Amino acid sequence: QKEVEQDPGPLSVPEGAIVSLNCTYSNSAFQYFMWYRQYSRKGPELLMYTYSSGNKEDGRFTAQVDKSSKYISLFIRDSQPSDSATYLCAMTSDTGRRALTFGSGTRLQVQP
Amino acid sequence: GAVVSQHPSRVICKSGTSVKIECRSLDFQATTMFWYRQFPKQSLMLMATSNEGSKATYEQGVEKDKFLINHASLTLSTLTVTSAHPEDSSFYICSARTNRYEQFFGPGTRLTVL
Repeated sequence: QKEVEQDPGPLSVPEGAIVSLNCTYSNSAFQYFMWYRQYSRKGPELLMYTYSSGNKEDGRFTAQVDKSSKYISLFIRDSQPSDSATYLCAMTSDTGRRALTFGSGTRLQVQP
Repeated sequence: GAVVSQHPSRVICKSGTSVKIECRSLDFQATTMFWYRQFPKQSLMLMATSNEGSKATYEQGVEKDKFLINHASLTLSTLTVTSAHPEDSSFYICSARTNRYEQFFGPGTRLTVL
């Protein structure tokens, strides 16, 4: 079993839809949670950063962390064709090398 | 967010040559940088952790003599692929970590070995 599980998609939605992306994880030591967006042949771009449990909102993006369920989500409101990309969840603890553990990525397609 | 640059963005070389890739944090100091490799339609695979002023820590299965990492300053880490072969062709991405554990990624370097 992978430490971080993420549905690879592809997820296809119409423009304007609300998108829900999710990851589950098994390591209870993870404390820092991130969502990245990666366009084809580009480096990942940090979208959201959350420490421990709770919600965080930034524009059209909302990140949720439920540590009791080991489950994190990213919601995108009013999705746009420009949101079409691969979304990667990532997480780390504050011990050890503190390298990020990534999900496999979900490919999102927003249809105009 | 913070900016990380990577150079070159693309390199094509002959088999047997060595290639150096630079990773720079432009607006913050990073004691720790990471090097990843990514194959098409796959997630990032961590190759090594680069610590300023000390030896890099390599992931299992990554040859440290083939992938030389130097982190000479708080804003620069380099990855040298020595004696590159076609199977080394890939997308190499670096990241730099802030003191809040956020990681900001460079734009990546596409290496093609003929």
